Amino acid sequence: QSVLTQPPSASGTPGQRVTISCSGSASNLGSNYVYWYQHLPGAAPKLLIYQNYRRPSGVPDRFSGSKSGTSASLAISGLQPDDEADYYCAAWDESLSGRQVIFGGGTKLTVL
Amino acid sequence: EVQLVESGGGLVQPGGSLRLSCEASTLTFRSFWMSWVRQAPGKGLEWVANIRPDGSQRHYVDSVWGRFTISRDDARNSVSLQMTSLRAEDTAVYHCVRDWDVWGQGTTVIVSS
Repeated sequence: QSVLTQPPSASGTPGQRVTISCSGSASNLGSNYVYWYQHLPGAAPKLLIYQNYRRPSGVPDRFSGSKSGTSASLAISGLQPDDEADYYCAAWDESLSGRQVIFGGGTKLTVL
Repeated sequence: EVQLVESGGGLVQPGGSLRLSCEASTLTFRSFWMSWVRQAPGKGLEWVANIRPDGSQRHYVDSVWGRFTISRDDARNSVSLQMTSLRAEDTAVYHCVRDWDVWGQGTTVIVSS
């Protein structure tokens, strides 16, 4: 099955800027939008970025997304303690198995 | 604000069946793709299945193909996931998702003897 690859962990200090990468292939990021989620323990995942770079209303502009070719990234500026969470990228994938949605493995962000 | 509420989870033996349901609180449900996404203990998010607004397309992750069936009833603002031949690896919290943006809190499925 096709995969989206994320680093398992990332860290930063308050106020810093951190980026989380998401690497895919032509069948997913190369031809479809990327979406980013923040997941806090015990809560439902929250959509941070949709269609590569758009932010839903209510999401601070400290969060930004970009995509180039088969790679995408989520940037968080002005890091805050409340940003400590798991972050996932997701995208449609067009493979031999048909159309499916795939998630990255997740990145655990630690605010030091 | 659209709220999604899942139900139907529980403890089931391997090989058994369960039917999960998800209901939406507003009428904005019917124009959107609806999905089920799960998270096994200690694991990341895994998309399970989705269904097009008109029900004409359904897609499944390979591991559940032929065992799970997603369906929707727009008149009742609900989407369901019929799960059969359940395996230990299906143990997870199952979330109902509207399009990409609205998630339910989830319902827990435990497959164990």
